[in-house]
Amino acid sequence: DTEVTQTPKHLVMGMTNKKSLKCEQHMGHRAMYWYKQKAKKPPELMFVYSYEKLSINESVPSRFSPECPNSSLLNLHLHALQPEDSALYLCASSHLPETYEQYFGPGTRLTVT
Amino acid sequence: SQQGEEDPQALSIQEGENATMNCSYKTSINNLQWYRQNSGRGLVHLILIRSNEREKHSGRLRVTLDTSKKSSSLLITASRAADTASYFCASSNDYKLSFGAGTTVTVRA
Repeated sequence: DTEVTQTPKHLVMGMTNKKSLKCEQHMGHRAMYWYKQKAKKPPELMFVYSYEKLSINESVPSRFSPECPNSSLLNLHLHALQPEDSALYLCASSHLPETYEQYFGPGTRLTVT
Repeated sequence: SQQGEEDPQALSIQEGENATMNCSYKTSINNLQWYRQNSGRGLVHLILIRSNEREKHSGRLRVTLDTSKKSSSLLITASRAADTASYFCASSNDYKLSFGAGTTVTVRA
């Protein structure tokens, strides 16, 4: 199984809502990532988890809260988002944190109203 | 975290022609990777070239790396309609990838 799955595919939420994005991989990868991608722009790294511990936070606002319950799952909890947070949120995983290719999920298209 | 530039921003070619795109990055790297993204979907890894390598081939793909110029190029030979996508280079350093701005390639039938 070389797939990274993400749910939901699409999400519309109001600025006062709380929602979560989910990501799962069963490749035994020990590094997992969250990226944000705006239209016609490259992905921007948000968080890196290495061996289930948060290793990199790219100065992401606290309204985004990552969680790694186990080595296969990665969540992104969303609260009090702004319309400018609307984007494609991509999850990825890699065998080890350093220097390896990353496998991406299909993304969650988030719209904040 | 966007680190580099890609050139050209967009490229339109006829099926069967070759497509070349270039990437520049700013800091030292462990490796340089190329990814493809189809229309707002997830990225697919194409090829990885290590910092001590100069050229690498994979099927119809050829990648070069010039660490002295901090640049890389991706050549897709004998393009097909299915190659229509956005292509991103990504430099790897400090346990994370930094993506270039991307090149949008359109292959006309």
